[in-house]
Amino acid sequence: ELKVEQNPLFLSMQEGKNYTIYCNYSTTSDRLYWYRQDPGKSLESLFVLLSNGAVKQEGRLMASLDTKARLSTLHITAAVHDLSATYFCAAEGETSGSRLTFGEGTQLTVNP
Amino acid sequence: DGGITQSPKYLFRKEGQNVTLSCEQNLNHDAMYWYRQDPGQGLRLIYYSQIVNDFQKGDIAEGYSVSREKKESFPLTVTSAQKNPTAFYLCASSPARYYEQYFGPGTRLTVT
Repeated sequence: ELKVEQNPLFLSMQEGKNYTIYCNYSTTSDRLYWYRQDPGKSLESLFVLLSNGAVKQEGRLMASLDTKARLSTLHITAAVHDLSATYFCAAEGETSGSRLTFGEGTQLTVNP
Repeated sequence: DGGITQSPKYLFRKEGQNVTLSCEQNLNHDAMYWYRQDPGQGLRLIYYSQIVNDFQKGDIAEGYSVSREKKESFPLTVTSAQKNPTAFYLCASSPARYYEQYFGPGTRLTVT
């Protein structure tokens, strides 16, 4: 059974600082996805990571995938208040069809 | 405008009543999904469907039922057998396996 763990679950940081959110998964995974959720809202797709060594960047966010370590990271550079949200990673297992297994989410608060 | 719609946005029901949540997409996506989200937690898969007239149970299918008679529509019924139905319900769709899932705006169900 595929399990996905994120850490930290809560992250409070100052504007301008850098930080990394980690996403570990328990079995071989074909794909890794990152989503953002604002309070009371739906999920917005951020990144799709399709292979080992994949790196994608959008603005102040950069995501990477290491399938050998079963680890994905979401790096935040020079955080701004607008990045405050909950970030989820989700993995798609090799034998799970099109099912995604989500992590618990990391609630990020960026303080001025 | 292509997208996924869910209705209603808020739904209140008395315990013991069945309730049906609507999910419609005009993206021509083959696969559709239903997730449940409880406060401060990640998403858990209820049911999913990869083609019309076929669907599979997810991790927490007990007390729920679905149908997929049309490609565009994947309604979810929360039955009286669901012990704790109050939650935020999210519908998603994707073109096929290995593609990211796109989420609807969600329905917040409260059962008293």
